[in-house]
Amino acid sequence: DTAVSQTPKYLVTQMGNDKSIKCEQNLGHDTMYWYKQDSKKFLKIMFSYNNKELIINETVPNRFSPKSPDKAHLNLHINSLELGDSAVYFCASSQDLRELIYEQYFGPGTRLTVT
Amino acid sequence: GQNIDQPTEMTATEGAIVQINCTYQTSGFNGLFWYQQHAGEAPTFLSYNVLDGLEEKGRFSSFLSRSKGYSYLLLKELQMKDSASYLCAVGDSNYQLIWGAGTKLIIKP
Repeated sequence: DTAVSQTPKYLVTQMGNDKSIKCEQNLGHDTMYWYKQDSKKFLKIMFSYNNKELIINETVPNRFSPKSPDKAHLNLHINSLELGDSAVYFCASSQDLRELIYEQYFGPGTRLTVT
Repeated sequence: GQNIDQPTEMTATEGAIVQINCTYQTSGFNGLFWYQQHAGEAPTFLSYNVLDGLEEKGRFSSFLSRSKGYSYLLLKELQMKDSASYLCAVGDSNYQLIWGAGTKLIIKP
């Protein structure tokens, strides 16, 4: 069984479109994350959710909006896609964010290409 | 600002030992992680240090010196499958992970 899954694995779309990436974890973790990994391989945190509450919101454009219907899911919706949004987006989860840092389990990534 | 520095690329020979260094400057410290990332794949957890000293796990060891803001990952008996990027990440005062750009390790026969 896959611990953290993301769909789709590849996403090619045109500028201006709106798209969503889905993420699910079956580990029973309390915290989920979205990361962006650019061509220089930097992993940058975009959002964290703990028990359905947004607890970290980095300075990402408001075109990006996380949506968490329940503790096991954290979807990423992107409006008005731009060329600079092209990157690999990773979903991750961990046991708990508060007080201690636990290892994070990553999904396989979604390679987004905006043309 | 917050900063994680690691070498961009290293090359080593199969069967040898390699040490990958990481220096950090963060607002607060809540542990240091090493992750392995093969090309086109997701990062996977290798080690976690929160106290000074050496943590050993099989062929991999990780060292931390909090006073120096320094860590290293030591890989012994290198195998071809160890060719990957190794990411250093530090937990800051907000319990957020700050990531380095990763060190690409190339293993030659």
